[in-house]
Amino acid sequence: DAGVTQSPTHLIKTRGQQVTLRCSPKSGHDTVSWYQQALGQGPQFIFQYYEEEERQRGNFPDRFSGHQFPNYSSELNVNALLLGDSALYLCASSRAGQGADTQYFGPGTRLTVL
Amino acid sequence: DAKTTQPPSMDCAEGRAANLPCNHSTISGNEYVYWYRQIHSQGPQYIIHGLKNNETNEMASLIITEDRKSSTLILPHATLRDTAVYYCIVRHQTGANNLFFGTGTRLTVIP
Repeated sequence: DAGVTQSPTHLIKTRGQQVTLRCSPKSGHDTVSWYQQALGQGPQFIFQYYEEEERQRGNFPDRFSGHQFPNYSSELNVNALLLGDSALYLCASSRAGQGADTQYFGPGTRLTVL
Repeated sequence: DAKTTQPPSMDCAEGRAANLPCNHSTISGNEYVYWYRQIHSQGPQYIIHGLKNNETNEMASLIITEDRKSSTLILPHATLRDTAVYYCIVRHQTGANNLFFGTGTRLTVIP
């Protein structure tokens, strides 16, 4: 049973560019959440997708957008990259309607913006 | 979601029990207590969660006080691989509820 997978593992971009990160949820899960973790800090919630819709959003600008596909996988897109977008981007999946709907995390994508 | 307070760091001798405290004095009746840990540069790993009763699984035990204002995560026999940042998180029972990660407790297991 595969866990949450993310690609790519590492990515280097320059300021102003756009980036797309990908996430495949754990088998049986239908909800995907994205988090940003800057160096030395705890993860911060970006947004959550369920039934291909953005269900909840944290305090992130519109440069951050996402998508969920019919197979429940998800993409995180960041436009007009800034140096401050350098971080570990984490994807977590869960199954809606399961009581506490525990979130399970992938290994993350390390984004470096130069 | 209620805020949690954890000590910034703790040490534990290898083979001994590690007891990690967490205060969540403003927790409401339908909020769970979750514990995750994060080993350097990896994704957070789910450990355990509970609502009112004490819980135990293959990784740890969670002790929640009767008034639910604090809890303790217990790793019964700490190993070097348990060195990590441990996050205590309080979240709503269901729905579109994200996890709010504070600064956590950095546990160092000493040989």
